[in-house]
Amino acid sequence: DAKTTQPPSMDCAEGRAANLPCNHSTISGNEYVYWYRQIHSQGPQYIIHGLKNNETNEMASLIITEDRKSSTLILPHATLRDTAVYYCIGSSGGGADGLTFGKGTHLIIQP
Amino acid sequence: NAGVTQTPKFRVLKTGQSMTLLCAQDMNHEYMYWYRQDPGMGLRLIHYSVGEGTTAKGEVPDGYNVSRLKKQNFLLGLESAAPSQTSVYFCASRPIYSGPGYGEKLFFGSGTQLSVL
Repeated sequence: DAKTTQPPSMDCAEGRAANLPCNHSTISGNEYVYWYRQIHSQGPQYIIHGLKNNETNEMASLIITEDRKSSTLILPHATLRDTAVYYCIGSSGGGADGLTFGKGTHLIIQP
Repeated sequence: NAGVTQTPKFRVLKTGQSMTLLCAQDMNHEYMYWYRQDPGMGLRLIHYSVGEGTTAKGEVPDGYNVSRLKKQNFLLGLESAAPSQTSVYFCASRPIYSGPGYGEKLFFGSGTQLSVL
């Protein structure tokens, strides 16, 4: 899996867009960027993934730079329930040996 | 459709005791995984399985054994528990393939909090 770098923590006001950055300068051409989140004491939950195009689903949007060295996860209207640790992971998407989860970014939504 | 179910949710062991954690999934997934998570840390892979009757070592396999006798179940065993195995254990599963990049869309259970005294 590609090495990724995320800030350890971030704050965001409730109702505003939360923008979580991730650097993955060594990502290879066939590796996807995956985002998961882990709400306190629960198992991680898949959010979204992308290769080189921007992606959007019901949970979030993923913006990947043209050179693929970084990406941003966007939660458009953050709520208190979005407080969680967010993990950015680079992977080829087909390996059998699972994903490598780092320490992620602890996002705190402020009321 | 319950997804991934882990039992028990909490357990306290004394050093040297043994126990088995059960993971069950009802999504007919081929791949299953056991991770551990220590305070303030990411998840570390213990063992995984790519199908019934198969197992493989992950990043931190020492002190653990696993079995996949049935496709829907993945068992994690501690033969002689040690305080260093105090952790939260997560099980996950995924299908072989379900679209471009979806190979790493893992489905996680809610975890087992294990304390070894």
